[in-house]
Amino acid sequence: DTAVSQTPKYLVTQMGNDKSIKCEQNLGHDTMYWYKQDSKKFLKIMFSYNNKELIINETVPNRFSPKSPDKAHLNLHINSLELGDSAVYFCASSLIAGGPNEQFFGPGTRLTVL
Amino acid sequence: AQTVTQSQPEMSVQEAETVTLSCTYDTSESDYYLFWYKQPPSRQMILVIRQEAYKQQNATENRFSVNFQKAAKSFSLKISDSQLGDAAMYFCAYRFPHSGNTPLVFGKGTRLSVIA
Repeated sequence: DTAVSQTPKYLVTQMGNDKSIKCEQNLGHDTMYWYKQDSKKFLKIMFSYNNKELIINETVPNRFSPKSPDKAHLNLHINSLELGDSAVYFCASSLIAGGPNEQFFGPGTRLTVL
Repeated sequence: AQTVTQSQPEMSVQEAETVTLSCTYDTSESDYYLFWYKQPPSRQMILVIRQEAYKQQNATENRFSVNFQKAAKSFSLKISDSQLGDAAMYFCAYRFPHSGNTPLVFGKGTRLSVIA
């Protein structure tokens, strides 16, 4: 069974479109995250949710809107896509906030904006 | 703000040999957690090893071990008996144990090649 799943794994779209990436974890974790990995492989936190509540919102354009319908899901919606949004987006989850607990990552979604 | 620095963008090692990947970090905290993640070409992020800052003993996981030097803020990863499957990007990461959510702060990664 996949612990953290993301759909789709690949997303190719035109500039200006709106798209969503879905994430689900079946680990019973309370905390979920979205990270962005740019073309140089640098990983940076975008958002963090704890029990459906937004905890961290890094400097991300407001075209990006996360939504957590329940603590097992954290979706990412992106409006008016731009070329610079092309990246790999990773969802992750962990059991408790802070501590040494491992963050489990999804397989990533490679977004390409043309 | 915490920062993590990996000074080696690329490294290579002969199969069966040992290689050490460097990582330094900057923090004013005394209690925190450090991790090494591996990202093979499949893109999946895989935890290799973790270290709690309050523990003096270096963590070990099979062929992977760390050299944790708290005073120097250094956290290097040693891979012994390197295998072809070890070829990947390796990311060092820091996590501050705050009561709220604490995401990982990553270094820029080191690409490891294993030569047969």
